[in-house]
Formats: sequence, C-alpha cells, structure tokens
Amino acid sequence: GAGVSQSPSNKVTEKGKDVELRCDPISGHTALYWYRQSLGQGLEFLIYFQGNSAPDKSGLPSDRFSAERTGGSVSTLTIQRTQQEDSAVYLCASSFGAPGTGGQETQYFGPGTRLLVL
Amino acid sequence: TQLLEQSPQFLSIQEGENLTVYCNSSSVFSSLQWYRQEPGEGPVLLVTVVTGGEVKKLKRLTFQFGDARKDSSLHITAAQPGDTGLYLCAGGDFNKFYFGSGTKLNVKP
Repeated sequence: GAGVSQSPSNKVTEKGKDVELRCDPISGHTALYWYRQSLGQGLEFLIYFQGNSAPDKSGLPSDRFSAERTGGSVSTLTIQRTQQEDSAVYLCASSFGAPGTGGQETQYFGPGTRLLVL
Repeated sequence: TQLLEQSPQFLSIQEGENLTVYCNSSSVFSSLQWYRQEPGEGPVLLVTVVTGGEVKKLKRLTFQFGDARKDSSLHITAAQPGDTGLYLCAGGDFNKFYFGSGTKLNVKP
C-alpha cells in the first residue's frame, strides 16, 4: 500500500512569509508525528497526534508553529513569519499504535519537505 | 537533555570490519526501534525490539535489547560500503517519541 506522503517536497520562501506543509499518513494509522531535522543532525520531535485527541504542543519551537490534523488523517504544519533558522527538513511519520504500545508504535516516515528560508 | 544517547557519533571504517553502535537511556521503553537514514531521505525502519534481552538478526546486522529495556545495541559484521548512512535509535513514551542523536557510519571500500 501507499506510504506516508508529504508535500511540497521542496519549499523556498522569504523571511517573514507563512508556509504550510502537508502530510498524508498511511491509511489506518492512528498516530501521526512531525519532526524537524537540520543538516547532518538528528531528529527534533515537534508534535504528535493520536486519533482525534488534542495534541501535546509543548515540543513546538515557538508560537509561530502550529499543526492541525483533520478527521484523524491528513495533517498540516504551519509556520508563520518564517525565520532563517526555520530552514530544515520537516519529516512526518505515522504509526498504527501510540508511543508505549510496543511493536505497534513503529513509525514509517515520509520523504520530508525541505524548507529554505531566504 | 537527550533521552536517548547514541555512541559513537561518528564511525569511519574499512570494508570488512565489524562495528557496534550503542543506544543508552536512563528510562525504560516498551520497545526500541532502529532506523537507517540516507542523505535526502526519511529514516527507514530496520528493526523493532520489544522484549528485554531480545536479539534479532537481519542478515549481517544483529540487534539486542537490554534486559532492563533501557538500552540497545546494533552490531554489523563485515561492513560494506552500502551500510554507509545515519543510524538512529528511537523509543516512545506516552505523548512523545524520542530519537537518539544518531551515529554516522562511513564504510570505505
């Protein structure tokens, strides 16, 4: 079946503009995650959605970042008033089960959106 | 504070050598995953270990989960240039999922 898809694959924007990143998880996966990865670095956890429950937003870097998940499926990550330090690869992943559920929490990643803020 | 510590951070070896990568935490995880990431791609799952003391083998790769479910190791036998990449361990806890900082492996022909 189809894997996790993300769009756009690349985004170049000017400082101060807003951007919206989209993630389509694997069908049937209840959990969806957003991460940020700077060049050559590890993954920084941003936010996690479990079904239709309200997410824990404490991992978001600033109040310029927000995320939504509509109908328990597609998710969008919005960055307002982008700054140069927002430049990174934004990765989305989905899993069948929630964190702490053993093997069902295994995540499957999309290819990422490469964001460059000039 | 990094919940999952990986070591070494960088590893450059010759083809045919063996290596071990470690993932350690002070927290207990219900499972740990190992991922491999190549440049320009998202991480790809290699294995999930669930039971304390569990050992899983994937061709030349051997994964072990510590008895206390706080640590894991990845051992590669007779490394090949195709093994080059960023190896990440990861584990979940309630509403958050944690990744280690990664081990960058370079296998020279």
